[in-house]
Amino acid sequence: DADVTQTPRNRITKTGKRIMLECSQTKGHDRMYWYRQDPGLGLRLIYYSFDVKDINKGEISDGYSVSRQAQAKFSLSLESAIPNQTALYFCATSEGTAQETQYFGPGTRLLVL
Amino acid sequence: QKEVEQNSGPLSVPEGAIASLNCTYSDRGSQSFFWYRQYSGKSPELIMFIYSNGDKEDGRFTAQLNKASQYVSLLIRDSQPSDSATYLCAVYSGNTPLVFGKGTRLSVIA
Repeated sequence: DADVTQTPRNRITKTGKRIMLECSQTKGHDRMYWYRQDPGLGLRLIYYSFDVKDINKGEISDGYSVSRQAQAKFSLSLESAIPNQTALYFCATSEGTAQETQYFGPGTRLLVL
Repeated sequence: QKEVEQNSGPLSVPEGAIASLNCTYSDRGSQSFFWYRQYSGKSPELIMFIYSNGDKEDGRFTAQLNKASQYVSLLIRDSQPSDSATYLCAVYSGNTPLVFGKGTRLSVIA
């Protein structure tokens, strides 16, 4: 089984709809991250959490919210989806040691019509 | 603002040649340096990381770090068409998320 899973893998929604993307991990890592990726723009950090009680905004948090339900679960919500939120979304985890390697989930491809 | 810069490419090399990918970073306090490979539409996967100045080799891959010049590179020996991907450089400066470059697209021509 994959260490970092994301659901759904693909989602088509309409402008104004609320949607949730979910991330689960079995790696036992404290730190979790949400990124979006657009062609030519690289990975951009949306939110991150260093433990269950910690939530931090990233580079592009406007229009998004997150919930850290447990060490293993970190959800990303789009309260009212808009077309420019069409992107590939990745969840990642890291151990929080000096090494700080991030491990990525398979991604969710989101299309907002 | 911590920055990581990479040439976007594409970098085209013939099969069997050495591909050289470069990355510069702005934060002199950076501690760890990572190279990820990302195939189109897939998630980034770690190739290797390096902490200390000098070279680190893993199979066909060699990471090189020069902290004085704030420069890290990845060499891929005997490049194969399957190495064609985008390579992301990432830098860790301590208790903050990794900072990623935008990536360099590598194309290995058979």
